[in-house]
Order: sequence, then structure tokens, then C-alpha cells
Amino acid sequence: GAVVSQHPSRVICKSGTSVKIECRSLDFQATTMFWYRQFPKQSLMLMATSNEGSKATYEQGVEKDKFLINHASLTLSTLTVTSAHPEDSSFYICSASMGGVSNQPQHFGDGTRLSIL
Amino acid sequence: QQQVKQSPQSLIVQKGGISIINCAYENTAFDYFPWYQQFPGKGPALLIAIRPDVSEKKEGRFTISFNKSAKQFSLHIMDSQPGDSATYFCAAIYSGAGSYQLTFGKGTKLSVIP
Repeated sequence: GAVVSQHPSRVICKSGTSVKIECRSLDFQATTMFWYRQFPKQSLMLMATSNEGSKATYEQGVEKDKFLINHASLTLSTLTVTSAHPEDSSFYICSASMGGVSNQPQHFGDGTRLSIL
Repeated sequence: QQQVKQSPQSLIVQKGGISIINCAYENTAFDYFPWYQQFPGKGPALLIAIRPDVSEKKEGRFTISFNKSAKQFSLHIMDSQPGDSATYFCAAIYSGAGSYQLTFGKGTKLSVIP
């Protein structure tokens, strides 16, 4: 159980394009979802935390107008990279938390490899 | 400020050997310490986790040792196999904050050679 599906797994697009990444919790309700960015050979960098029905909390240095996060339901959060440029190319990973008494704080998706040409 | 320090950055172990990865934390409020395994192009997957009231936890070939007074914890992989080759991240969380936000170490790339 506790599967998180992330789509698409890979996207290649031209500079200036906006890209939407979906994160779904398939068999549980996620009170909180997290979005991470990971550069090659580096750790996960938290971008933002979102709770269903409320505005996302962005980490310092992350542009909220650049990375739009919507957490419209308990099973779906989306990250939209607006007017993407080559420096936005990265591996984006979402995770979802059931909160409460779960022994596993976050369940991760398989990531989205974003390449901006 | 790096709250969770992980070492080594990379590790090469022969098949059948023991892989040991170490982490140290600073925030004494942390109360849950998971280890994640990540294969290239995939998201991290929970491997094993421990709470600070336990000094050791074993699951199959994987063991966490926890030293609360030293604020250190380590992952031991016994009888390491080529399939264990991956990047391992230690992490820490303060569940009392209610956000379940993970603080990750920088990762250790493990290569198990036949």
C-alpha cells in the first residue's frame, strides 16, 4: 500500500514552455504533499510543502511565481514550472504524507526528469 | 546549517562484505530517523527507520545502530550484494512539529562489486 504516482516520468520541452507535473496518492489520503528538486549526485532539496486546500509553503529561495503548486484534493498535488528555462532542468520528486500516527512520514513518487532545451 | 551530516560520500564494498554508512545530527528534537534507498532515475524508498528510544533495529540484512548520547546513527548492510548498489540517504524528522518534514543527509553512493 501507500503508493504515490508521479506523472510524467520524463518531459523534454522548449525554453519558455510551462510544464505541469502531477503527484497522486493512489491508495491513501495525503494531508500533506512535498515537492523536492534533486540535482545530479546531490541530496533532495525541499522546494515546498502543501496541505490540501491551502496555499503551499515555499522554502527560502524558491520562487513561488515560478513554481506553482496546487493541492486541490487529498490525493492530488500539481507542480507547474512556468516559463521554464534550461536552468530549471532537474529531477523533481514529490512525496505524500498521511500524517497522524503513520510510521512512514513520507511516501515518494518516482520523480520527473525535466529537460528544457 | 547542515543538520544531518552523512559519511562517506561514496563507498565501494565487495560482494558479501559489510557496508557501513554513518550519520550525525544536531537537533535533539528529532525523534524519527529513516534511511532511504534510491536507484538512478527513481524516487527514494524507505529502507528501515528507528526511534531514539531504541539502540538497534534489524530488518533482514539491514541494521540501524543508534547512539542517542553521541547523536549518531548508522546503517549496516550485511552480506552486501550488487543489487544493493544505490544511493543511501539518512534522514531525521521532528514529528512533533506536525509537518513530517524530512531533513536529509547528503547521501552515500554505494557500489558493491562482484
